[in-house]
Amino acid sequence: KAGVTQTPRYLIKTRGQQVTLSCSPISGHRSVSWYQQTPGQGLQFLFEYFSETQRNKGNFPGRFSGRQFSNSRSEMNVSTLELGDSALYLCASSLVQGADLNTEAFFGQGTRLTVV
Amino acid sequence: DAKTTQPPSMDCAEGRAANLPCNHSTISGNEYVYWYRQIHSQGPQYIIHGLKNNETNEMASLIITEDRKSSTLILPHATLRDTAVYYCIVRGTTDSWGKLQFGAGTQVVVTP
Repeated sequence: KAGVTQTPRYLIKTRGQQVTLSCSPISGHRSVSWYQQTPGQGLQFLFEYFSETQRNKGNFPGRFSGRQFSNSRSEMNVSTLELGDSALYLCASSLVQGADLNTEAFFGQGTRLTVV
Repeated sequence: DAKTTQPPSMDCAEGRAANLPCNHSTISGNEYVYWYRQIHSQGPQYIIHGLKNNETNEMASLIITEDRKSSTLILPHATLRDTAVYYCIVRGTTDSWGKLQFGAGTQVVVTP
């Protein structure tokens, strides 16, 4: 079955612009999490969605936002881009959220965002 | 604070077994041990997870000590494609994936 699909794979934006990244989870997965990965900070949690509701949020400014649609696909948006937003943005999907028990999360290949 | 401790790096010869240690001395009874790996600039790849029994799948084996304070991931016959950063993660059954702390992991380099 298809894995987690993130689009686009690469993106170059200018400071001050905004960007939207997309994540299609594995079929049947209802939980989607987003992470930012930079060389200096490692994997940092952005937010988590389940059934179209944001369930958890990391410590990022309000310029970072997201949403989840009824088909579980998710988008994240970054407004007023800064040079420091250059990173690999990863999306992970899992079958359920919270009170699930013994399952795993699967990651997409990520979107490499470069802000110039 | 990270719940796991891993060596920053290790080398392994191609064809030999790679044994990756992880300490999780504060693990609680409902927390699983998960292993992921990340090949350069790709998304993390799920490898294996377990609660207290040893686990094996087509990729690796997971050995968890009886007191559950440490575990070892075993790649039975390392290949050059196994060069990656390996992350050991502890996750409770009710923890959201968003709360996971991946830490710095172990950079494994498989050499010919």
